[in-house]
Amino acid sequence: GAGVSQSPRYKVAKRGQDVALRCDPISGHVSLFWYQQALGQGPEFLTYFQNEAQLDKSGLPSDRFFAERPEGSVSTLKIQRTQQEDSAVYLCASSLALGDTQYFGPGTRLTVL
Amino acid sequence: DQQVKQNSPSLSVQEGRISILNCDYTNSMFDYFLWYKKYPAEGPTFLISISSIKDKNEDGRFTVFLNKSAKHLSLHIVPSQPGDSAVYFCVSGSQGNLIFGKGTKLSVKP
Repeated sequence: GAGVSQSPRYKVAKRGQDVALRCDPISGHVSLFWYQQALGQGPEFLTYFQNEAQLDKSGLPSDRFFAERPEGSVSTLKIQRTQQEDSAVYLCASSLALGDTQYFGPGTRLTVL
Repeated sequence: DQQVKQNSPSLSVQEGRISILNCDYTNSMFDYFLWYKKYPAEGPTFLISISSIKDKNEDGRFTVFLNKSAKHLSLHIVPSQPGDSAVYFCVSGSQGNLIFGKGTKLSVKP
């Protein structure tokens, strides 16, 4: 079937604007992860869901970042009052279960002006 | 502090030769490692993994070696092909979420 998809692929926001990034995981995958990849760095963990439960949000950099997965499938990462340091590629990954191979989407490149 | 370190940002090799990508880690509790490969404008894709109960895992042209005492692992690609040109991430998977190194950009020249 289809892999992990993310939308939009590119987002330009003015500083202070709110943004919402969408992730469609592979069907049937219980675990869903969000990562942030800054320029020249490796991806860094933000948060993890098992079905609709957000079990780990230790990587979220501030309370401006919020993620949800209300029906245990599609997930949305929301960033409020965006700042320039939020500019990065946001990657979503899903796996059958925690500890299984994670499959990544193509990412959303966010640029905050 | 980087828990997974890839000290070579780039590597260039000739087609047909061996590519060796290195990685060091700091946490002795890490017991499962992966290599992911990333092409531009795509997400990382899983390549190969190794558990700490092994010191070698081979899959076709790709072999990963783990030296637990030195907290070092390496990825060998033999023979290297131009299609292998990508960024390679060394990853610890010991904690559920993945901990990535900064990546090494491999260029394989025809």
